[in-house]
Amino acid sequence: EDQVTQSPEALRLQEGESSSLNCSYTVSGLRGLFWYRQDPGKGPEFLFTLYSAGEEKEKERLKATLTKKESFLHITAPKPEDSATYLCAVQVTSGTYKYIFGTGTRLKVLA
Amino acid sequence: SQTIHQWPATLVQPVGSPLSLECTVEGTSNPNLYWYRQAAGRGLQLLFYSVGIGQISSEVPQNLSASRPQDRQFILSSKKLLLSDSGFYLCAWSKDTQYFGPGTRLTVL
Repeated sequence: EDQVTQSPEALRLQEGESSSLNCSYTVSGLRGLFWYRQDPGKGPEFLFTLYSAGEEKEKERLKATLTKKESFLHITAPKPEDSATYLCAVQVTSGTYKYIFGTGTRLKVLA
Repeated sequence: SQTIHQWPATLVQPVGSPLSLECTVEGTSNPNLYWYRQAAGRGLQLLFYSVGIGQISSEVPQNLSASRPQDRQFILSSKKLLLSDSGFYLCAWSKDTQYFGPGTRLTVL
């Protein structure tokens, strides 16, 4: 069964304390892996798409990487405004149009 | 550029009342459309998706239904709401990457 698992469930960092969020996946075939940021009471905001192992994408303090089994979202020198829930999703190549989401990592960055 | 709209933003309804949530997409044609429900502190549950007008796939048996009367319009409905229907409803569209609307907070009392 296709599955996406995110860890940790919650993470508290001091401002400037770099860390990584993990998204591990078990799918029959990966078409794409997506990272989103979700603020309370709002819809998820698209961050990155990764398609193949070894691929990396960067945006400001965020960097996403992909291997054959997992993806990491690295946060460098985070600021309080980076506090949010980060969601990972995969689209499989089985011919469906569905996306499988993890349950997210709640990040809190303290000033 | 593409935009996605959902309304209403918040809704409080009594048990047993009907429901209609609307989603529209601008700036693209023939998108795949999706309805998700997000319970507090939990992940996204796919409810329905559509690859074209009148084509609806249901993922979870329940008292909800969806319709796609126009290419860029997706409607989520219920004839009689249950307490368990409370949650945060998200509409999304995709061609490749999936993009989400602002969501509707539904409270059933």
